[in-house]
Amino acid sequence: AQRVTQPEKLLSVFKGAPVELKCNYSYSGSPELFWYVQYSRQRLQLLLRHISRESIKGFTADLNKGETSFHLKKPFAQEEDSAMYYCALALTSGTYKYIFGTGTRLKVLA
Amino acid sequence: ETGVTQSPTHLIKTRGQQVTLRCSSQSGHNTVSWYQQALGQGPQFIFQYYREEENGRGNFPPRFSGLQFPNYSSELNVNALELDDSALYLCASSQPGRQQETQYFGPGTRLLVL
Repeated sequence: AQRVTQPEKLLSVFKGAPVELKCNYSYSGSPELFWYVQYSRQRLQLLLRHISRESIKGFTADLNKGETSFHLKKPFAQEEDSAMYYCALALTSGTYKYIFGTGTRLKVLA
Repeated sequence: ETGVTQSPTHLIKTRGQQVTLRCSSQSGHNTVSWYQQALGQGPQFIFQYYREEENGRGNFPPRFSGLQFPNYSSELNVNALELDDSALYLCASSQPGRQQETQYFGPGTRLLVL
């Protein structure tokens, strides 16, 4: 079955430290992967998508098909990065489905 | 460009009742998806509507049904409410073929079933 796994419920790092939020997926087809972020009192919004190979707010994520992973990384965490982060997988061939992980809360400590 | 809006913001119902939640998609978007987010969980995909037809469905029973209207707004209907239906219901709109299925979310409707 298709699945997205985010093993950490909470990740605490100090300001300026590197951050890695883990995401693993289970899907035999060609995945479309995303990271969404929810800041306090704001709606869920897209952070980045794998197909764009972009860096947003200093975050990057590389798709590793061998390890079926799509980890989110930032070299130097900022306090404003504190938020809830969700990894998501879109299945668009055949019946459409969108699968979210359970999320990781990132706390960046001063 | 108008964002995704949802109504009502909060709702309290009793077990066995029926509820209708509403969503207006972002302008220019023809696809609407609905999600259920229980406390401490990620959003769970309920279904998606594309041009007024159901385009995909998650693992939800038939008592969860939906509609999409010609202006691309949408409704989520839940019959025979159960206590476990208490959750935040999110609507998201998208434009397939562009932006690789990026979902634009509304603020959600919080449903409490007593």
